[in-house]
Parts: sequence; structure tokens; C-alpha cells
Amino acid sequence: EVQLVESGGVGVQPGGSLRLSCEATGFTFDDYAMHWVRQAPGKGLEWVSLITWDGGSTYYADSVKGRFTISRDNSKNSLYLQMNSLRAEDTALYYCAKDGDSSSSLVYWGQGTLVTVSS
Amino acid sequence: DIHMTQSPSSLSASVGDRVTITCRASQDITNYLAWYQQKPGKVPKLLIYAASTLQSGVPSRFSGSGSGPDFTLTISSLQPEDVATYYCQKYNSAPYTFGQGTKLEIK
Repeated sequence: EVQLVESGGVGVQPGGSLRLSCEATGFTFDDYAMHWVRQAPGKGLEWVSLITWDGGSTYYADSVKGRFTISRDNSKNSLYLQMNSLRAEDTALYYCAKDGDSSSSLVYWGQGTLVTVSS
Repeated sequence: DIHMTQSPSSLSASVGDRVTITCRASQDITNYLAWYQQKPGKVPKLLIYAASTLQSGVPSRFSGSGSGPDFTLTISSLQPEDVATYYCQKYNSAPYTFGQGTKLEIK
């Protein structure tokens, strides 16, 4: 059974940094690209970032480019999101999600970890 | 970047009604489109990928159609458990943008 478990979400002040983690089980982690998607309270889904299976390519939403860095450690079946220069508008539930078998649609999602940016 | 626009933003329909939600891409994305359902307090659930392929386990009353810039999600006979917000997402290339969502309620 595929499981994705995020951690690392806490309250942080504007300008601060945070690293989110996502531990993956139940599938061959280094066969798949992985995503981060976020959802601000009461708002819609926002795709944040993608990393290819080998970490060789990364992609970002314009809203986080230059501030966030996605990475992975295939030896630990783990995905990460380093978040720097945090802003109030980064407050959201952050989900990690697994790329699909036959498409890049997102079948499997974690339960999310909440990041709150506030002074 | 390609922008995804859903319509309507919200709608109210009766049980048994046929419901249609539209998603328009600002450029051609061929059929690289997915639809998700998110119930309140829950994780999003994939309904349809490749514009029209039903994800395993999703009820057959859900269907998707379209290509290029214009896509639709149809619920053939609305059920009470379909109350949710529905999102489209492009995945032909990054950024994998979501539409703004359509909130569906029962009348």
C-alpha cells in the first residue's frame, strides 16, 4: 500500500526558513517523480514543485521560485522541500504527491503538513 | 505559463441532475488534463486523467471529455456524496497548474 507521510510543518516568522519532509513507502520510490502541492486555508490547490525520479530536474511555481528548493534522497525514500524567505502567503497545508504510473496525474497524496507563517 | 480557468466557480444542483463543469486552458495541452474531487477536510482524489480516462474505483457516473484547450467533467446523475470541490489540472509540462476549483452543492 502506497503511503506518503509529511512532516516538518510548524509556525514560523516571516523571513524564516523551514524544511518539510515526506517519507514514502509501498512503492519503488526511485521509479517516480514526486510533487509538492499546497492549499492555503479555505483556498484552492496550488501546485508548488516537481522533482524527477533521479533528482536531475526540478521545477517550481513562479510564486516560490528562488525561495523553495525541492530535493530527494532515494536511499531514504524521502522527499524534501526547503523553504526560505517565508511569507504570510506561504501559509498552507503542504501535500506531497506521487507521479502516476501512466501519467503525471496525482493518484497518491499524503495527509499534508501545516505551515503557518506569522509574526 | 498556461492558465487554467474553470467555470462555474460554484453551482447548486438537485440529486439526479446531470452536472457539467468546464475547464479551459490558455494554450493547447492536448489531453494532458486531470480532474480531482476534494471533499471538505479530505485529501484530493483523482477522478479522471488523460482528459477522459476514469481512474480505477471511480463511479461510472463521472466522465471527462475534451482536448486542446477545452475540457468538461460530467456527473451523469448527481448523488449526495458528490458534494465537493472539483479541480482540473494540466500536466503536459511544468508548471502543473490547477484550475481555481468548482464548489458543488446539493439544492
